Amino acid sequence: DTAVSQTPKYLVTQMGNDKSIKCEQNLGHDTMYWYKQDSKKFLKIMFSYNNKELIINETVPNRFSPKSPDKAHLNLHINSLELGDSAVYFCASRSQYEQYFGPGTRLTVT
Amino acid sequence: AQSVTQPDIHITVSEGASLELRCNYSYGATPYLFWYVQSPGQGLQLLLKYFSGDTLVQGIKGFEAEFKRSQSSFNLRKPSVHWSDAAEYFCAVSNQYNFNKFYFGSGTKLNVKP
Repeated sequence: DTAVSQTPKYLVTQMGNDKSIKCEQNLGHDTMYWYKQDSKKFLKIMFSYNNKELIINETVPNRFSPKSPDKAHLNLHINSLELGDSAVYFCASRSQYEQYFGPGTRLTVT
Repeated sequence: AQSVTQPDIHITVSEGASLELRCNYSYGATPYLFWYVQSPGQGLQLLLKYFSGDTLVQGIKGFEAEFKRSQSSFNLRKPSVHWSDAAEYFCAVSNQYNFNKFYFGSGTKLNVKP
């Protein structure tokens, strides 16, 4: 069983479109995250939710809106996509002190 | 504020040779330290972690790391590298007062020569 899963794995879309990425974890963790990894492999936290409540929002443009329908799911919706949004987006969930990462979603905006 | 520096962007070693990847952190109190590995096209996998106690920690795949408070370092080592170790390695820091937030280094890409 996959602990943290993301869909889709690849996403190619045009500028101005709206897209969503889904994340699910079956580890029973309360806290989940979205990270963005840029072309230089730098990994930066975007959001964190604890039991469906937003606890970290790292000055991400408001075109990005996370949604947590329950503590096992954390989705990321992106409006009006821009070229600079091209990156790999990772979902993660946290046990007490450790994070477990999903396989990533490679978003390409053309 | 916390931060992590990985001074080496790329490292190439021969298969069977020893490996050391450097990590320096910035944090005033006791940090929680992690090493992750990312294979091409994959997510990050935890190799090992340090919270407290013995400063030499053992991880998976034969890796170990040593916490040196005086040098603010947490270097990753392996005595004999295998070709399958070629990947990107990330050091990360958190702490007991705000363990919601992890700060990652910029990564070190390891190439292994046959």
